[in-house]
Amino acid sequence: QSALTQPASVSGSPGQSITISCTGTSSDVGDYNYVSWYQQHPGRAPKLIIYEVTNRPSGVSYRFSGSKSGNTASLTISGLQPEDEADYYCSSYTTSSSWVFGGGTKLTVL
Amino acid sequence: QVQLVESGGGVVQPGRSLRLSCAASGFTFSTYVMHWVRQAPGKGLEWVAVISYGGSNKYYTDSVKGRFAISRDDSKNTLYLQMNSLRIEDTALYYCAKDRSSSWSFDLWGRGTLVTVSS
Repeated sequence: QSALTQPASVSGSPGQSITISCTGTSSDVGDYNYVSWYQQHPGRAPKLIIYEVTNRPSGVSYRFSGSKSGNTASLTISGLQPEDEADYYCSSYTTSSSWVFGGGTKLTVL
Repeated sequence: QVQLVESGGGVVQPGRSLRLSCAASGFTFSTYVMHWVRQAPGKGLEWVAVISYGGSNKYYTDSVKGRFAISRDDSKNTLYLQMNSLRIEDTALYYCAKDRSSSWSFDLWGRGTLVTVSS
């Protein structure tokens, strides 16, 4: 149950696009389309923004999109806005009937 | 409204026990898979345990197996986490989370309850 690998930090200017990667193994990300992404602002609970690799829950901005290739999933945020500054976590279901999170990525909007 | 409210956290000595509760409202609790997820101070998210609807299937992260027990009381719309033999490394904010039906993702979170294990 090793954590998924995410970059510790990414940054971008308002209006730009950024991508956060999430690398797992053939026992989690590579084996299932059950990758999800969460946004967490300081002092707040996480919020689901992508589920099943590419799907957005109702109410989540179209600027958030997800994809997957092999053992690596990605979250892309287009048209960066100041309120996007937050921590982002990926998660995957695993072959052990458990879940694993990534270590988290701090997004800074310059 | 649709919400989860955790309670039961506090300061406890290593080796002691604590039971967390999570009260659900605004949705049909009995039909959803439920999870506990924790976050150590300044650290990332860590999945802890899951329980199926009906309560027959339960799974845990390796570090809590044999020490923690997840359960649910559908008549009270409440999820529990019994934590025994607590360790300093169990110190964290514990969230309960609702599973988004059939998608193995967490679509509703509580605000968390803080557990501090310290001598």
